[in-house]
Formats: sequence, structure tokens, C-alpha cells
Amino acid sequence: GQQLNQSPQSMFIQEGEDVSMNCTSSSIFNTWLWYKQDPGEGPVLLIALYKAGELTSNGRLTAQFGITRKDSFLNISASIPSDVGIYFCAGQLPSDSGGSNYKLTFGKGTLLTVNP
Amino acid sequence: GAVVSQHPSRVICKSGTSVKIECRSLDFQATTMFWYRQFPKQSLMLMATSNEGSKATYEQGVEKDKFLINHASLTLSTLTVTSAHPEDSSFYICSAKFRRNSYEQYFGPGTRLTVT
Repeated sequence: GQQLNQSPQSMFIQEGEDVSMNCTSSSIFNTWLWYKQDPGEGPVLLIALYKAGELTSNGRLTAQFGITRKDSFLNISASIPSDVGIYFCAGQLPSDSGGSNYKLTFGKGTLLTVNP
Repeated sequence: GAVVSQHPSRVICKSGTSVKIECRSLDFQATTMFWYRQFPKQSLMLMATSNEGSKATYEQGVEKDKFLINHASLTLSTLTVTSAHPEDSSFYICSAKFRRNSYEQYFGPGTRLTVT
């Protein structure tokens, strides 16, 4: 099936540092979503991107939909301890590439650890 | 808004028994609900897509007779794991979308199933 390559797999940073993670694919995606999952919880939607080139912010988080529609990045500025968790990108394939019924394809996640 | 609940949050059952997990959209009507399974330190694996009033669409490799899905109303979907085995032990998460033309999925808090 279609795959999203998410990197890095894990990050260890100091509180206050900025963080960047990204997802790439060989396929074009119509939509990019970024989620955060805390241990033992369901993912929480952070940012949704719908147009190529779109840059959207949500507090200290900024995400962009790549102009080629094959990638997206998420930046977190001035990290704090509660930013700890697993961040997932998710994308929606066009229907003519196998996407259907609003299914999402998920990346494997980036585990973020913030040292106080 | 866009709150999804799951019940129970944790369940332990004996091998051979059946377990029902409920997923409810609390403040919106969900046009489509999704059921995922997540193994430790892994990404979300889509099991099936459920539309209200119609049969669920299962992903390849997911046994529909083992994982029974019922979407009886616009706010409730249930997943029943029948004749559970220890290998069915996992974290099951549902999600729901409420805007007809949106790909944004809102996730429940998950259900930890342990089969002994």
C-alpha cells in the first residue's frame, strides 16, 4: 500500500528548543493532517492542511503542505515538557490513487522527548 | 467540539469470550466512523470504515466475522471482538468525521483489550 515516510523516528531535545519533523511520500496527497498522541490515549488533531503550499499555525505549532503535495512538515517552537508524545502525520490519497471513503494513511510517528 | 468517547477504557477477558467496545460522538453526528488497532510503539492500523446504516468496509486481512462492527446511529458505532484470543490483545481506537466533505478525523481515547 501507499506509505508515508516520517522522520525522524525519535528526538531528544532540551526545553526551549525548536523542533522540526516531516513526512514524505512518493504519492500525491490531497490532505495532510498532524496528530499528537500521549501514552495510552487516542491521537489529537493538531493541524489540518488542504492546499498545496498552505502554511498554518496553531499556537507554537506550524505546519506546511508541500508545494509538490508529496510532503509536509511540522515545527514546534520553544518546546515545553508537555510537548512530549508521539506525533503522527496522516494523509488522504486522491480517489484515483486508491484513496476512498475518507481513509487516512498514517506515518509511523515521531517520538518527542523534552528534557526540562 | 468534536468529542469522541469510547467505553470501556480497559477490559480484560478470557480467551474464547466476546468483548464489545462502544464509540460515541458526543457533540456531533458522525457521518463515518473508523476503527483502528495499534500495537505498542507502532502506528495506527485501520481495521474498518463504518457508515451509519450500512455494512462496514473492512481492510484487507481483517476478518469481518471476528471483528463485528455495527453503526446503528449517527452517534454510535460498536466493535465486537468475537471468540477473543491472546493475540487480539491490543489498543483499539475509534475515530469519527462529521463534516461530509472533510477528511478530519477525531479520535476516541482508546480501549486497552487484554485477553488472558
